[in-house]
Amino acid sequence: ETGVTQSPTHLIKTRGQQVTLRCSSQSGHNTVSWYQQALGQGPQFIFQYYREEENGRGNFPPRFSGLQFPNYSSELNVNALELDDSALYLCASSLQGSDTQYFGPGTRLTVL
Amino acid sequence: AQRVTQPEKLLSVFKGAPVELKCNYSYSGSPELFWYVQYSRQRLQLLLRHISRESIKGFTADLNKGETSFHLKKPFAQEEDSAMYYCALSRTDKLIFGTGTRLQVFP
Repeated sequence: ETGVTQSPTHLIKTRGQQVTLRCSSQSGHNTVSWYQQALGQGPQFIFQYYREEENGRGNFPPRFSGLQFPNYSSELNVNALELDDSALYLCASSLQGSDTQYFGPGTRLTVL
Repeated sequence: AQRVTQPEKLLSVFKGAPVELKCNYSYSGSPELFWYVQYSRQRLQLLLRHISRESIKGFTADLNKGETSFHLKKPFAQEEDSAMYYCALSRTDKLIFGTGTRLQVFP
């Protein structure tokens, strides 16, 4: 069984740039959720994708967007990066209807 | 609004001492509550969920609806229990996390 993987591990961008983060879900899982974890904070829900459509969204602006592909992998895109976007971005996969989520190792994004 | 509160940022104990990591929640409805753990240089992983009522690595957590609490307990802490612990509440398949408590177990 393959666990959740994320790429890249680390990323440095400057303010105003755009970034794409990638996630491959655990084998057999059809739902992907993205979380932002700022330093010293717990993960905060960004959005969830199921069957290639957004299936719930947290309190994040529209410049945070995502995609899910037919193989259930997913991307998180952030436009017009701000300094406060610096954080660890976590991807979690699950089966739709299950509340047990399995997390990837995260991508650490630094915005300068 | 749904919220999870972990009042302690850091909890330090000696090996063999009892441990209680506090978690309080606010939620209108029947909550699904979890404890996640993150060991050093490892990913966030599920420790236990209230619905299964099981003990994992000696940890237990009881849901107290009257006090809206879901405290994590272990009678005898081990050094390998040192980690970040997050309490989380599930709402329509999204998880709401607390800010976490770092547990340090000294030898």
